[in-house]
Amino acid sequence: QKEVEQNSGPLSVPEGAIASLNCTYSDRGSQSFFWYRQYSGKSPELIMFIYSNGDKEDGRFTAQLNKASQYVSLLIRDSQPSDSATYLCAVNALLAGSYQLTFGKGTKLSVIP
Amino acid sequence: EAGVTQFPSHSVIEKGQTVTLRCDPISGHDNLYWYRRVMGKEIKFLLHFVKESKQDESGMPNNRFLAERTGGTYSTLKVQPAELEDSGVYFCASSQDTSSEQYFGPGTRLTVT
Repeated sequence: QKEVEQNSGPLSVPEGAIASLNCTYSDRGSQSFFWYRQYSGKSPELIMFIYSNGDKEDGRFTAQLNKASQYVSLLIRDSQPSDSATYLCAVNALLAGSYQLTFGKGTKLSVIP
Repeated sequence: EAGVTQFPSHSVIEKGQTVTLRCDPISGHDNLYWYRRVMGKEIKFLLHFVKESKQDESGMPNNRFLAERTGGTYSTLKVQPAELEDSGVYFCASSQDTSSEQYFGPGTRLTVT
């Protein structure tokens, strides 16, 4: 059973602070890692993806991957109230001849003005 | 460029009835995926098309679910007959390559009463 674990939260941070979201995964064969943002009642929106160990930065977002520890994280700098949403960690692994995304349950982030 | 579209956005049917969901992927994306999220659970993979071929349908819950992608463009997911436990949000996603990032549609919220 391939699993992706996230702290469900809610994680509350003040506006302007750094929000840190964490995710662990069980399948060592996982090859690519994604962070989706989901507003209530909306579809998941891709915000970051990372394939190699280390950090990847895009604007206020930084994804960090450590394959040895089977750990991936998302940092949001200068958090804004509009960042309040559920953040889904998803892991892509080759299963049954196909790349399937396995999702965590998501971490709810609340940015307090 | 248009994103992934899904129809209908909501569907309420009675147990035993049939429902057909439709997904139009991003133009040029050969890979099309169906996922489902039931209340309180994480998003789960259902199946994956590459063009018109089913690459992987290991996530389909049972034979009441039938997915098609004739012509390799849009896809339909039919549930017949629907059961109460089929209620949830059905997402479609598409990607250019099998291992690359997947973009999600707005989802169809299915309620079986």
